[in-house]
Amino acid sequence: GAVVSQHPSWVICKSGTSVKIECRSLDFQATTMFWYRQFPKQSLMLMATSNEGSKATYEQGVEKDKFLINHASLTLSTLTVTSAHPEDSSFYICSAVNRLLTYNEQFFGPGTRLTVL
Amino acid sequence: GQNIDQPTEMTATEGAIVQINCTYQTSGFNGLFWYQQHAGEAPTFLSYNVLDGLEEKGRFSSFLSRSKGYSYLLLKELQMKDSASYLCAVRIYGSSNTGKLIFGQGTTLQVKP
Repeated sequence: GAVVSQHPSWVICKSGTSVKIECRSLDFQATTMFWYRQFPKQSLMLMATSNEGSKATYEQGVEKDKFLINHASLTLSTLTVTSAHPEDSSFYICSAVNRLLTYNEQFFGPGTRLTVL
Repeated sequence: GQNIDQPTEMTATEGAIVQINCTYQTSGFNGLFWYQQHAGEAPTFLSYNVLDGLEEKGRFSSFLSRSKGYSYLLLKELQMKDSASYLCAVRIYGSSNTGKLIFGQGTTLQVKP
């Protein structure tokens, strides 16, 4: 199996509030999940690697205190955008690795569109 | 640094063949992936190459030359539904020994009747 879900699919919030996005692997266990951000007409930019039971590894330039990642179980990772600002408006996509499959490829969730007013 | 280049846009005719090129310069290499992404949706896996050569999968084929840092995705018998963005991604291993994908900017393919 290789189904990944995200919730919510879209969210609108006021500047200064926090937003939590959930990423779930529905039919497999994922020890590793990834969080990406995609701005309009641009490609996916990796934000962080989330490993179950340990701290996330953030890419250069990504503020770990602003983008809080928790991977408390083998099927759930959450991304919390704290004190969101309009420049955080973007399409956030998670992916999960199913290590039982041949290529260890990443399977992507449907994405969450965040709009900060 | 990591650098992956693809053409930004391509146009082709329904029924034709199109080749989307990708060149890369990365610190480490553990395979190259091609994904298809329709607007507002998640990327879907198309192909994977880790050794040199051609991998064929129905109407889609992907080629890799590691010595040249070069790959291409070949789409045959184009259909209107193939209009999408095609993302080239190289997998490298990070400090935590977890493979991560570095994406190119994507190629938007428009298929015309």
